[in-house]
Parts: sequence; C-alpha cells; structure tokens
Amino acid sequence: DAKTTQPPSMDCAEGRAANLPCNHSTISGNEYVYWYRQIHSQGPQYIIHGLKNNETNEMASLIITEDRKSSTLILPHATLRDTAVYYCAHSGGGADGLTFGKGTHLIIQP
Amino acid sequence: DTEVTQTPKHLVMGMTNKKSLKCEQHMGHRAMYWYKQKAKKPPELMFVYSYEKLSINESVPSRFSPECPNSSLLNLHLHALQPEDSALYLCASSQAGRGAFDTIYFGEGSWLTVV
Repeated sequence: DAKTTQPPSMDCAEGRAANLPCNHSTISGNEYVYWYRQIHSQGPQYIIHGLKNNETNEMASLIITEDRKSSTLILPHATLRDTAVYYCAHSGGGADGLTFGKGTHLIIQP
Repeated sequence: DTEVTQTPKHLVMGMTNKKSLKCEQHMGHRAMYWYKQKAKKPPELMFVYSYEKLSINESVPSRFSPECPNSSLLNLHLHALQPEDSALYLCASSQAGRGAFDTIYFGEGSWLTVV
C-alpha cells in the first residue's frame, strides 16, 4: 500500500501562493492522487485529483512529477479562509476508498 | 448538490449502551463509506459498501456493525464501545465507477464520546 508523507505545518502570507508538497514514492501506476482539506474538524472537502498530468480547477492546481513519486498542491492566492489541514491521499478508484497522509496544517498569515 | 447528511452530530453513550449513527445521500451514489478520525489524525477507512454489499472491512472490531438498508442509507450500529472509540465518525459516498476516477464526498461527521 502506498505511503504518503507531508510536512506537519506550513505558513503562507495572505495573497501569496501556497505550495503544499506530498511524497508518495510507492504509489501504484493506477492510483490517483487526491487532495482534500478539513476546517475545524468538519468533514474533509474535495479539492482536486490527478493521475499523471498536471490539473487545475477553480480552487487549486496540482503538479505531479513525471515519475509520480511526489506532487504539489498550489493555492494561487491564499486567503485567511484557506487556513486548514490539507490532506494528500491516494486511491485506486472504483470504491477502493481513500488512504490519507497525515496532513499539513496550513496557516495563512495576514 | 453534493450533500451527505449525518445524524446525530453529537452522541454521548455509556459502555453498555447500544446506539446507531445514520448517514443519507441523494446523489445516486452506489458506494458508501465509514471513516473514523481521532483528534489531530487523518481519517481512517473502516467499511465500504459498494452496490449495497459490504466490499471492504478494515479489520474493525465487531462492536461496530455497519448496515446498508438501501443505496441511499448507511448505518453504523454501536454496542459495548470503549472510551478509546471516542472519535469523529465520517460518512462518505461516491459513484463507484468500477476502476475509474471516483470523487468521494464526506458528511460533516458525528462526534462520539464513550463514557
């Protein structure tokens, strides 16, 4: 089973880009990389996913290295409301469920 | 509408009690999940139902008993729990695309305290 590692905490200034790294060096070729965030112990909120290619949506961008051993979530213009725990996760899809990393507590500083 | 509804939001129960957590979704999803989350830890998968059949049981103790009465409902029956079972219990659902990418949507969780 793939193991993901994330830094426990990061700070970012409001208005700047927040770059959150994740290592998943043992991820299988058919496993997707997902990112979720969790605020005040509410339910995790889906942000973005990817398999091989870089992805962008209205919330964030996901950069996956060519060897798929690591990825970076980018929040382009961080706001105070982006303060949360961000989880990198992986799944084979099709009701396999998600396996979460330990998460990064991102603190946006005013 | 991506909504998974969980009840109750908070539950306090004694170690000899029997209680249930309930989860409902109306997105037409065919996979439903129970996760357990301890404080300052990531969610951990407990059970998966796919097309109303239990497909994954992550070696969860028998004092936790899942039930999927239909494709929209998921229950977690609790009996003879221990204080260390106190946690946030998260329900989730997804389309269950059989091998394809599958976004999993979470409810807000049920906070369980065992006294």
